[in-house]
Amino acid sequence: GENVEQHPSTLSVQEGDSAVIKCTYSDSASNYFPWYKQELGKGPQLIIDIRSNVGEKKDQRIAVTLNKTAKHFSLHITETQPEDSAVYFCAASTGGNEKLTFGTGTRLTIIP
Amino acid sequence: DTGVSQDPRHKITKRGQNVTFRCDPISEHNRLYWYRQTLGQGPEFLTYFQNEAQLEKSRLLSDRFSAERPKGSFSTLEIQRTEQGDSAMYLCASSLGSPGGGNTIYFGEGSWLTVV
Repeated sequence: GENVEQHPSTLSVQEGDSAVIKCTYSDSASNYFPWYKQELGKGPQLIIDIRSNVGEKKDQRIAVTLNKTAKHFSLHITETQPEDSAVYFCAASTGGNEKLTFGTGTRLTIIP
Repeated sequence: DTGVSQDPRHKITKRGQNVTFRCDPISEHNRLYWYRQTLGQGPEFLTYFQNEAQLEKSRLLSDRFSAERPKGSFSTLEIQRTEQGDSAMYLCASSLGSPGGGNTIYFGEGSWLTVV
């Protein structure tokens, strides 16, 4: 089955700087890669996703890049703000497969 | 759109007791998923429904776990003879279609289970 690895497990960034979180996946058939933000005591909230026919997607301060050859994808947050502090999870899914396989999460702390 | 609703949000139970969680998906979402999340880990897939049919179950779902979606709307997840290892957050999610087909999976706020 699919295996998703995520790094780093914790990340502290000065407010205003950029943060990058990286994930690798094992199943070359995976074609959908969402990123979720989870705040304390709450469920995961989708912040951005990318499909395998696209190399990069951007939404305001958030961008995701995908390298299918290397089987890795990354989340980039620019101009970080205190409200960006949370745990971020990457996930992968294979076409025709209903299941999302999640990484182990990155705890992002924005230092004011 | 009121989002995915889960009840109860927190449950403390004694080992050996049965517990049941309820999930109300976003209206018109035909797919409903159950995931389990333990501290410091990402969510793990348990099972999913397309309408009322349960189409896939993870091997994490032991025979003490049963999920239903009787009318293709709300779902229940029952855990019988709870064990301390069942302590986790149980997440429900729903979507209009398969994620591989371009559909977003929306999660609820989760139901925390503590087995003492």
